[in-house]
Amino acid sequence: EPEVTQTPSHQVTQMGQEVILRCVPISNHLYFYWYRQILGQKVEFLVSFYNNEISEKSEIFDDQFSVERPDGSNFTLKIRSTKLEDSAMYFCASRGGEGPDTQYFGPGTRLTVL
Amino acid sequence: AQKVTQAQTEISVVEKEDVTLDCVYETRDTTYYLFWYKQPPSGELVFLIRRNSFDEQNEISGRYSWNFQKSTSSFNFTITASQVVDSAVYFCALSEGGSNYKLTFGKGTLLTVNP
Repeated sequence: EPEVTQTPSHQVTQMGQEVILRCVPISNHLYFYWYRQILGQKVEFLVSFYNNEISEKSEIFDDQFSVERPDGSNFTLKIRSTKLEDSAMYFCASRGGEGPDTQYFGPGTRLTVL
Repeated sequence: AQKVTQAQTEISVVEKEDVTLDCVYETRDTTYYLFWYKQPPSGELVFLIRRNSFDEQNEISGRYSWNFQKSTSSFNFTITASQVVDSAVYFCALSEGGSNYKLTFGKGTLLTVNP
């Protein structure tokens, strides 16, 4: 069964460093998302991406965040200068086509900023 | 604006008990979609069910059942004869077509099933 994959599973970084979180969505999916979950809290929407551009972003997704689909398979989230409060689990999700297809989530990357 | 409320923060039951997880939602759209996801201790988000706003039929899948009531804006989830493996955080979520179908999650309910 196709699945969304994410690497690394755990990333530890120093405050102020740049990190790139990687995702490989399900191969025939067209819509991609990033969400984050601060420990013990709810899952929050960050950004949606379609046709090589951001379709919507939340207030959390400020100028230090960016997303990219550098090739036909990867979907990345970059945090330019990490802060302590960026420590969270980051989930990538993808869905197939037009309409409300189910979003399938990757296993997440746990980001720890020291 | 869309909003999902899961009033139960934690529930603890003994194995084989039935348990219902509550979910109340708010939306201005007439067309919307409701979801339940399971987050076991390992941390991944596992899709359980999707329901469309125009389909109020309740659904049963094995020990799981869902009760969708538009009149009360609720989408409750019942586990019958709970098992220890059901222990997880359960999230209810809502999406609207006009918002790129992004998911708005509730805060989740931590279900602990004790042997």
